[in-house]
Amino acid sequence: DAGITQSPRHKVTETGTPVTLRCHQTENHRYMYWYRQDPGHGLRLIHYSYGVKDTDKGEVSDGYSVSRSKTEDFLLTLESATSSQTSVYFCAISESLSNQPQHFGDGTRLSIL
Amino acid sequence: GDSVTQMEGPVTLSEEAFLTINCTYTATGYPSLFWYVQYPGEGLQLLLKATKADDKGSNKGFEATYRKETTSFHLEKGSVQVSDSAVYFCALRDNTDKLIFGTGTRLQVFP
Repeated sequence: DAGITQSPRHKVTETGTPVTLRCHQTENHRYMYWYRQDPGHGLRLIHYSYGVKDTDKGEVSDGYSVSRSKTEDFLLTLESATSSQTSVYFCAISESLSNQPQHFGDGTRLSIL
Repeated sequence: GDSVTQMEGPVTLSEEAFLTINCTYTATGYPSLFWYVQYPGEGLQLLLKATKADDKGSNKGFEATYRKETTSFHLEKGSVQVSDSAVYFCALRDNTDKLIFGTGTRLQVFP
């Protein structure tokens, strides 16, 4: 299995608080991704990174920011969490964009009350 | 934009039954197509893929054929096991190399 660790695995917090989720990889892959998984929507891309300090928005980026200061770490931040951001968040990595599969972490279940 | 449509679940089968999970897509160009599987409490794992028309992806007894004429990539398995119970996602890689996922289909296999 690809070496991807997400932390925390579970978190409960209150509306309006900041939240940071961490994705750590040991594969030295260039590309990293954050998705959210919601019933009836499958997985939707929030942000992705194509290198250190290089990031771009995905389909559902509003309310989220990311940072990548090292190849191995990709952080997802909710500056002021809302109940609509309650979801399961998955990190993924890939060696390249084309012709390479994405490998997923085990997810972070985030509940915002 | 590009999209993937999967049959709604849950799909409930007895062990050793034949499985089909339908997947159709809308895309510009000729995307690569994927099936991912998600076991309870885990992330998605790549099950199989096909990169061009008429390609057949296969793995662990599962198969799917890239049908350009019907824009489909249906997942099949001849004899399911209880351990195949999971959520299955069809996905395509769009022309910006992003993955577009279907909504997932839950498979429940009973002994």
